[in-house]
Amino acid sequence: DAGITQSPRHKVTETGTPVTLRCHQTENHRYMYWYRQDPGHGLRLIHYSYGVKDTDKGEVSDGYSVSRSKTEDFLLTLESATSSQTSVYFCAINPGQGGTYEQYFGPGTRLTVT
Amino acid sequence: AQSVTQLDSQVPVFEEAPVELRCNYSSSVSVYLFWYVQYPNQGLQLLLKYLSGSTLVKGINGFEAEFNKSQTSFHLRKPSVHISDTAEYFCAVSPSQGAQKLVFGQGTRLTINP
Repeated sequence: DAGITQSPRHKVTETGTPVTLRCHQTENHRYMYWYRQDPGHGLRLIHYSYGVKDTDKGEVSDGYSVSRSKTEDFLLTLESATSSQTSVYFCAINPGQGGTYEQYFGPGTRLTVT
Repeated sequence: AQSVTQLDSQVPVFEEAPVELRCNYSSSVSVYLFWYVQYPNQGLQLLLKYLSGSTLVKGINGFEAEFNKSQTSFHLRKPSVHISDTAEYFCAVSPSQGAQKLVFGQGTRLTINP
């Protein structure tokens, strides 16, 4: 158990509304990531963070923003949700030290935009 | 940049038969390689990883993978599968330096038939 929780776990929202997903970790790891999973695409990186207030874009960042004001929380915001953002969103952490190079994933948030 | 191709989107196998899931990658820099498994309606779990050293790596649940640098491949194998191995399997790479952002393949759905 990597101590990662995501909230909410399921959400249905309407096109044009803002949505914020939360990722919380209990281990104070440096790196945190947001991915989306879509059939036929595997997982694709949206944004990542390498420290408090330090974030960068991933492969599919358009329409998304992130914030990290505390080590333990990484927020993903869809500023104006669209149907193409219907997906399963996964948060991941990487300790970034001690010879640990793999990422550990949260349980996911299933988002439906109607 | 890195890319990953999983050569089979679906692999049906009979129980107790051997299986190989194929993964090829491309990268201009040194990479780490991973296989993750996703059981239905769950998050991703690390099966095994290759960082350096021996090209044959062993993971959980009896799986192993072989890194072949000349063929840029990292195929996953199991000598005898069980019903419980039914899941989706993802191959992923990350640069060995920096933020270690993962790039995933499209996934291979392994179905075990009795």
